[in-house]
Amino acid sequence: DQQVKQNSPSLSVQEGRISILNCDYTNSMFDYFLWYKKYPAEGPTFLISISSIKDKNEDGRFTVFLNKSAKHLSLHIVPSQPGDSAVYFCAASGSRGRKLIFGQGTELSVKP
Amino acid sequence: IAGITQAPTSQILAAGRRMTLRCTQDMRHNAMYWYRQDLGLGLRLIHYSNTAGTTGKGEVPDGYSVSRANTDDFPLTLASAVPSQTSVYFCASARGQATDTQYFGPGTRLTVL
Repeated sequence: DQQVKQNSPSLSVQEGRISILNCDYTNSMFDYFLWYKKYPAEGPTFLISISSIKDKNEDGRFTVFLNKSAKHLSLHIVPSQPGDSAVYFCAASGSRGRKLIFGQGTELSVKP
Repeated sequence: IAGITQAPTSQILAAGRRMTLRCTQDMRHNAMYWYRQDLGLGLRLIHYSNTAGTTGKGEVPDGYSVSRANTDDFPLTLASAVPSQTSVYFCASARGQATDTQYFGPGTRLTVL
C-alpha cells in the first residue's frame, strides 16, 4: 500500500514556464514533507521541505505548498530551466520517527 | 570532500551468492539508511540505524541484513542473492533528528542473474 503517491510519472514543460509536481499521501500521522531531486547516475539531493504547521515554504524558484485537509502537496518551479530536468521524489515522515516514505517519482523534462 | 561513499559502483552477481554493499560517511552523522530504487516504486527503505550499535527494519527488509559497528560504516549484506534484488541501492545519512536532511550516496547498481 503506497502511503505517498506521485501519480504523474513524467512531466514536460517549456523553459521559462511553471512546473507543478504533485504528491498525495494517505497517512495523517505524517507531519514533515520533503522534495528530493535526482539526476541520472547520482544519489537524490535534498531540495526543499515543509512542516505541517505551515502551508507554504519558498526557496528561490522553488515553492512547496501543503494542503493538509486534502493530504496533498505540490512543488512549483518558476521559472523552469533546462537544468531542472531530473526525477523529483516527494517524501514524508512523522516527527516522532526519522524514516522517510518516498513517492514513486516524477520525471521532469524542461525543453529549451 | 565530506560526504557518503558507496562501493562497488556496480556489480553483476550470480543468484545464490553472498554480497556486501559498502557505505561510509565522514560527516559524523548518527543516522544511516539503506534504500533500494525500483522503477515505478520510488525509493523504499530496507534497513536503518539511528545510532552506532543499533539497527532497525524498514519497509522491505527481507533478504537483507545490516550492521553498525561504528559511526562511519553501514554495510548491507545479501546473504543469498535472488533476481528480485536487482536494483539500485542508495545509502543515506543524517544527523539524527527527525527533521534532519538525509544525504545520499551515489548508489550501487546491482544485477542478480
